Amino acid sequence: DTGVSQDPRHKITKRGQNVTFRCDPISEHNRLYWYRQTLGQGPEFLTYFQNEAQLEKSRLLSDRFSAERPKGSFSTLEIQRTEQGDSAMYLCASSFLAGGGGEQYFGPGTRLTVT
Amino acid sequence: RKEVEQDPGPFNVPEGATVAFNCTYSNSASQSFFWYRQDCRKEPKLLMSVYSSGNEDGRFTAQLNRASQYISLLIRDSKLSDSATYLCVPQDTGRRALTFGSGTRLQVQP
Repeated sequence: DTGVSQDPRHKITKRGQNVTFRCDPISEHNRLYWYRQTLGQGPEFLTYFQNEAQLEKSRLLSDRFSAERPKGSFSTLEIQRTEQGDSAMYLCASSFLAGGGGEQYFGPGTRLTVT
Repeated sequence: RKEVEQDPGPFNVPEGATVAFNCTYSNSASQSFFWYRQDCRKEPKLLMSVYSSGNEDGRFTAQLNRASQYISLLIRDSKLSDSATYLCVPQDTGRRALTFGSGTRLQVQP
């Protein structure tokens, strides 16, 4: 399977715990994005990387959230001191810089439940 | 006003019907447009890209009206497998982030 992969697919955690999610983009894609989706809403942008550089962060990305893409390949999204309002589907997407348009391809998501 | 507005539906149509969804967007700097479909509890999947006035791919046709800032998606000969939520996504060329609408839910019935 050469699509975007995410791990874990599901995570249940208690309020106050830290969680980390991983995303592996499509191999030739140099842009990587994180989105969050809650029930009944479309995905909301959180942040994006071009290679290892984090180029844009949404105001939704509070101080408790941090994302990294240290070698320009996979990325991690960490949430510290989780709150119940963090319960959502966290989606990763990737796209290719040169040529074509801005098409982004999504991974299956990590569903987070904070109890 | 929301950046992207879509009728949430649901649109309940019989198999074989033609159905159309509209989407309005507020950012006049949007240059690229996408339609994604999303099945329940799954990730969005790219259905169609629109860079000029429209695009057609089999049973699916997208039309863009830049003056009125709306984009439509027409599905002909609906199949049961078309049942999903359709997300309208304009993209500002100055940004890489996609701005999603809340989606229009389609239910095709036998």
